[in-house]
Amino acid sequence: GAGVSQSPSNKVTEKGKDVELRCDPISGHTALYWYRQSLGQGLEFLIYFQGNSAPDKSGLPSDRFSAERTGGSVSTLTIQRTQQEDSAVYLCASSLDRASNQPQHFGDGTRLSIL
Amino acid sequence: AQTVTQSQPEMSVQEAETVTLSCTYDTSENNYYLFWYKQPPSRQMILVIRQEAYKQQNATENRFSVNFQKAAKSFSLKISDSQLGDTAMYFCAFMNPLIQGAQKLVFGQGTRLTINP
Repeated sequence: GAGVSQSPSNKVTEKGKDVELRCDPISGHTALYWYRQSLGQGLEFLIYFQGNSAPDKSGLPSDRFSAERTGGSVSTLTIQRTQQEDSAVYLCASSLDRASNQPQHFGDGTRLSIL
Repeated sequence: AQTVTQSQPEMSVQEAETVTLSCTYDTSENNYYLFWYKQPPSRQMILVIRQEAYKQQNATENRFSVNFQKAAKSFSLKISDSQLGDTAMYFCAFMNPLIQGAQKLVFGQGTRLTINP
């Protein structure tokens, strides 16, 4: 497809389990971003990739959160030992490069529910 | 740190009316970008309009236009001839392009807009 693809669309898991969320950016986009949207809230920045490196991880809320990107394409956000406060929609975006005149294109997000 | 404030949690207007959504921001930078994104129930964030701070002319995209007041740090969105499909959450966002790795968007809390038939 032409857009940013995220999987799964929805994920329900028990507290304490690990989860992996996947983002497949638009082909050719070198910049990739993860955001979190809690219920009724705006988006909160988590991490930014340029290629395979992450110059800005400042938004990751704890060391239970990690992300990687391989081959300059697909990215995986991993949450270990999930807690109920991790419940949110996790949105991924990509842009052609990190230049400011390149808009960020968003996926449909993964709705994560921790029981 | 930059902050973005949307003071209207919800708004509701009749179809074909004009509606204005408010946004203010706080920054010490002189050059930056401002955005309005639309999020329908499908969850996908859709870019509506973008404004570069160094441009004095207000951006316009068809029925959507902005009123950018740099001194007041205000960036409102006007939707003319509103349509049922405009019903969505609208987010104002800020980006400072000058800092390495700071291409992240800083979002406001959003305004839920409902267009009534």
